[in-house]
Amino acid sequence: AQRVTQPEKLLSVFKGAPVELKCNYSYSGSPELFWYVQYSRQRLQLLLRHISRESIKGFTADLNKGETSFHLKKPFAQEEDSAMYYCALSGIRGTSGSRLTFGEGTQLTVNP
Amino acid sequence: DADVTQTPRNRITKTGKRIMLECSQTKGHDRMYWYRQDPGLGLRLIYYSFDVKDINKGEISDGYSVSRQAQAKFSLSLESAIPNQTALYFCATSDSRRARETQYFGPGTRLLVL
Repeated sequence: AQRVTQPEKLLSVFKGAPVELKCNYSYSGSPELFWYVQYSRQRLQLLLRHISRESIKGFTADLNKGETSFHLKKPFAQEEDSAMYYCALSGIRGTSGSRLTFGEGTQLTVNP
Repeated sequence: DADVTQTPRNRITKTGKRIMLECSQTKGHDRMYWYRQDPGLGLRLIYYSFDVKDINKGEISDGYSVSRQAQAKFSLSLESAIPNQTALYFCATSDSRRARETQYFGPGTRLLVL
């Protein structure tokens, strides 16, 4: 079974401070990990995926297979980063296909 | 993404009523999904469909049924609604032909069961 855990339901930081949203997963194979973001009154949308190894809006996330983690980081938070963030996992394509298992979500608030 | 639409956007119903939530997409994607979102629980998969003739249960399918009427349409039914089905429901689509498959979400349907 695949499972995603986001231990922090709420996270509050000040503008300009570093931010880290934690994500841990359990999966027996080689998963694909994602971060999705939901801004206020907007749709859920993909922020980044571990395969791409890219930085989106200043956010990065590294897959740590040893610790089974995929934490999302940004060195300097901005007020517009305030949103709900979901970590998600997809099993191997061809078996579970693109089915996503989501974590519980972390509501990030960046204060001025 | 306006290519994925959901109707209705809000719905209030009573216990025991049958209701249908509809999802349409103009993205030409073959795969479609239904999730429900509950505070503190994140999104959970109800049903998914990899093509018109393929329907699969997700992790919380009890009390729900679906119909894939066409590639572009995927509807979710609650045969006899109950209060704990009060939630925000999301439809999503994806294209299996893409090397890096991404799910695109609709705006959500907020359902209240009294």
